[in-house]
Amino acid sequence: GQQLNQSPQSMFIQEGEDVSMNCTSSSIFNTWLWYKQDPGEGPVLLIALYKAGELTSNGRLTAQFGITRKDSFLNISASIPSDVGIYFCAGLRAGGTSYGKLTFGQGTILTVHP
Amino acid sequence: DAGITQSPRHKVTETGTPVTLRCHQTENHRYMYWYRQDPGHGLRLIHYSYGVKDTDKGEVSDGYSVSRSKTEDFLLTLESATSSQTSVYFCATSSDRVRETQYFGPGTRLLVL
Repeated sequence: GQQLNQSPQSMFIQEGEDVSMNCTSSSIFNTWLWYKQDPGEGPVLLIALYKAGELTSNGRLTAQFGITRKDSFLNISASIPSDVGIYFCAGLRAGGTSYGKLTFGQGTILTVHP
Repeated sequence: DAGITQSPRHKVTETGTPVTLRCHQTENHRYMYWYRQDPGHGLRLIHYSYGVKDTDKGEVSDGYSVSRSKTEDFLLTLESATSSQTSVYFCATSSDRVRETQYFGPGTRLLVL
């Protein structure tokens, strides 16, 4: 099935550093979502993007919906230890056979060293 | 948080046995989804429901069936469990198919021996 290409696959950073990850696709999406998953739990929504070019912030997190509608990125500023987890991008299409079905990236595993 | 619970949270079973996982939600969301999560694959959609008794297949539906007799409950059945179905299963719900985001349950960890 179709997947989003999410990179990097993993990151090891020092506390206080900024983080950047992105997702790309060969297909157009109408909605981009970013989720975070802590160990043993389900994904939790961080940011939702509904419009091409949209830039949205949630505290230290900033995400953008690419102009071409085929990509999105997530930035985390001044990382802290509780940022540790797996970050997933997900795209939602409003038409075709994938209507209403989320497509997920493979995830970025973030490790923050104190 | 859409008040989603999954049961059981952990299960060990043997190859060839049927297994049913339950998802229960308290938010009256119309849409419900079952995903499996495996290393290197992210989350993949198994089946979804767009209303009571209305279900459809996702991208990895072989070997799975679902039922939704009430708005709040969505059952996933592995008709004859195989080792390849060892995975973590997540249920999700949403109030709108396109516009609204999906909220996830805590997951069920299934081991098929």
